[in-house]
Amino acid sequence: QVLLQQSGPGLVKPSQTLSLTCSISGDSVSSNTAAWNWVRQSPSRGLEWLGRTYYRSKWYNDYAVSVKSRITINADTSKNQFSLQLNSVTPDDTAVYYCARKPISAPNFFDYWGQGSLVTVSS
Amino acid sequence: EIVLTQSPATLSLSPGERATLSCRASQSVSSQLAWYQQKPGQAPRLLIYDASNRATGIPARFSGSGSGTDFTLTISSLEPEDFAVYYCQQRTTWWTFGQGTKVEIK
Repeated sequence: QVLLQQSGPGLVKPSQTLSLTCSISGDSVSSNTAAWNWVRQSPSRGLEWLGRTYYRSKWYNDYAVSVKSRITINADTSKNQFSLQLNSVTPDDTAVYYCARKPISAPNFFDYWGQGSLVTVSS
Repeated sequence: EIVLTQSPATLSLSPGERATLSCRASQSVSSQLAWYQQKPGQAPRLLIYDASNRATGIPARFSGSGSGTDFTLTISSLEPEDFAVYYCQQRTTWWTFGQGTKVEIK
């Protein structure tokens, strides 16, 4: 059974950096058979995929065009976790943020999710 | 970007009734479509993948069909725990989600 546990601050000031961490149990962040994703959900944007990191002999990252200039996703193999950093946030970045696993084999969609982290951007 | 349009926005039904939810893609996604269920305060839960395959532990009353641009999620007989919001998602070109269909108690 895979468990994803999220942590990080729930309030971020405008123009600052949003930082969240997703700790993995029951799988490995450096697995060759999964990718590790961040998804957010807000009333205005709905569910929005933000980016992913995965390991295939080396680390790869892919980011959504909407946030590409502001986002970084990193893996920490020593702690078996991965993180999201979103720079220069505005109130429009207020959302519930989720981490999620996508295996490369069936079901090949997001099969395990974190509990969600409500992040509010406000001064 | 592939846009997924779900209909209806809200479905008002009684327990025991059949629910039929629709998801239409702006271009073909072949069978690369999933359905998720989300309850208040919870993360989405994978129900159906590759248009018609039930995920592990999902009851047989949930079924999916379709390919190309038109997809359907059917709940054959609604149980009390099925009242929730349902989302479709495609993985042909990155990942996008529909806006959701809320199944509420009539």
